[in-house]
Order: sequence, then structure tokens, then C-alpha cells
Amino acid sequence: DIQLTQSPSFLSASVGDRVTITCRASQGISSSLAWYLQKPGKAPKLLIYAASTLQSGVPSRFSGSGSGTEFTLTISSLQPEDFATYYCQQVNNYPLTFGGGTKVEIK
Amino acid sequence: QVQMVESGGGVVQPGGSLRLSCAASGFTFSLYGMHWVRQAPGKGLEWVAFVRDDESFKYYVDSVKGRFTISRDNSKKMLYLEMNSLRAEDTALYYCAKSWNDRSFDYWGQGTLVTVSS
Repeated sequence: DIQLTQSPSFLSASVGDRVTITCRASQGISSSLAWYLQKPGKAPKLLIYAASTLQSGVPSRFSGSGSGTEFTLTISSLQPEDFATYYCQQVNNYPLTFGGGTKVEIK
Repeated sequence: QVQMVESGGGVVQPGGSLRLSCAASGFTFSLYGMHWVRQAPGKGLEWVAFVRDDESFKYYVDSVKGRFTISRDNSKKMLYLEMNSLRAEDTALYYCAKSWNDRSFDYWGQGTLVTVSS
């Protein structure tokens, strides 16, 4: 199974900050990576698929990059509604797997 | 608009069974693969099972193989998860999710809670 390691697991940031979250895969997965945002008590929401393609309706302050084993999610200017937990997911092989999550909290 | 509503969760004793359902609307259900994903209380996401649009292909995470069965009824736009021999570690909020073109999940339900406890 492909393991995904997210870092950091927790970060504290302010509105307007640039935030970067990293996801590392235990083996190469090409560009088969998605990013989700989850707010407390809510279902996850797809932000980015195929490593760098923004899902329809997602603000352009979100961007994704990477291929192979290292990927990043960047929020260019953190907004109040962005404080949440973020998960990466590999969709290259079954079983599909998720990273452990990164919780973004208000500083 | 796309909507998925899960039901069937509840409290069950270890070794018991439950059948989860997911009612889909707002898209052509028969054209898309569907997934079940779970989230234990306070924990991260775990993919559980996948069924292809025509039920010709199914995948499971190892921890549920032989105990859980995913199925669908395209005529009713329904997704199911039959869960047998339930264990305490199966306690979680179970989401159904629609497969996007690269196997990511573009729409999710709100989940149904399964609690396995004596």
C-alpha cells in the first residue's frame, strides 16, 4: 500500500499568510494526487485533483504542485474560511489512501 | 444539484451486522463509480470500498475484505454497504462519495454514524 505523509500535522497562521502543506508518497504516483479541505462536522470538499488542477468553484488562492513522490498545496493568502483540516489522497493505486491531515488554525 | 444522503447507521454489538444506504440525486448515477469512506471519531479519513459504474469491479481496503460488501442499484440510484462481523475498530462516520475522472471524490454525503459497542 502507498503511504502518504503530510507535514506539518498542525500549523498556526494568520489571515493573509501564505501557507504551504507538503505530502510525500512512499512510492511514485505520477500526478495522481488530490487535496481536500474538511471543516468540523462537515464532509470533505475536493480542492485539487491530478496534483495541480483546481476543482470547479475553488478559489484561485489555492494551488497544487508536484509529481512522483513530493507534492505541495499552497494557499497564497489565507482567508478566515480556510481554517480547517487538509488531506492529501493518492488515487494512483488501490487501496486509495489519505495522508494523516494538516490542521490549520488561527494564530 | 448533486446530493447524496446516507442512512442505516446505528449502534450494534461486536459481531453484528448493518446495511448502509446512500441515495444519490442530481447526476447520472449509472455513469459513475462510487466509494465508501470512513472517519473514526477525531481521526483522519480512510477509504473503505469502491464499485464501478456497472458493478463489474469492486475494491476493498484489507481490513474489511470478507466482512463488507459494496453494491449498487442503478435503477434506484442507490449505493449500499453490507457490513458483517463488525468490530469496535469499525466505529466511524461512513460517507458515500462520487468518483471523479481520476478517482478523486468530487461529491460527498454528510455521513452516517456506525458505533460498534457492547
